[in-house]
Amino acid sequence: TQLLEQSPQFLSIQEGENLTVYCNSSSVFSSLQWYRQEPGEGPVLLVTVVTGGEVKKLKRLTFQFGDARKDSSLHITAAQPGDTGLYLCAGPQGGSEKLVFGKGMKLTVNP
Amino acid sequence: NAGVMQNPRHLVRRRGQEARLRCSPMKGHSHVYWYRQLPEEGLKFMVYLQKENIIDESGMPKERFSAEFPKEGPSILRIQQVVRGDSAAYFCASSPQGSIYGYTFGSGTRLTVV
Repeated sequence: TQLLEQSPQFLSIQEGENLTVYCNSSSVFSSLQWYRQEPGEGPVLLVTVVTGGEVKKLKRLTFQFGDARKDSSLHITAAQPGDTGLYLCAGPQGGSEKLVFGKGMKLTVNP
Repeated sequence: NAGVMQNPRHLVRRRGQEARLRCSPMKGHSHVYWYRQLPEEGLKFMVYLQKENIIDESGMPKERFSAEFPKEGPSILRIQQVVRGDSAAYFCASSPQGSIYGYTFGSGTRLTVV
């Protein structure tokens, strides 16, 4: 079973600060996805990265896929209270249609 | 264009009763997935279905749990003779062409067994 390890697991910061979340594995993934989940709701897909070394930007969020396709990072610039939530990385488990998820990073941005 | 619809949002069952969770995928999506989320364990895959077919049920407990996606109507996750350990959030997701480009999730059903 391929595993995805996320770090840090919890982060509490002030509005305006920058942060980076990491998602690491010892296995190669065909793609990695990032989701954000708010309390009481389902995860919402933010981005999918497919090519090793790929960088994608979504407003203040920057996603990178490692060259070897074993890891990914999410960088948030100038965090806002609306960024508060659980950030999950996920990838297809080798050759199957099911996604394996990391345990997530719970972010709190204080005003 | 409605997203993935799950109902009920909250379900309370006594031990030994049956729980039925429903999921209508996004229009045009033929792949349906069920996941279970527990606070300390994260999202765990249960089953993957297409219309009238169970494709992968490797994450389903061997007993008491079943799933279907009939030709007409929503996908159903059925839990018979519920126990306290079944209390969790159950999420349904759908996709148009498999998992590689990601899922659209519903808002989940929160099952509480008392």
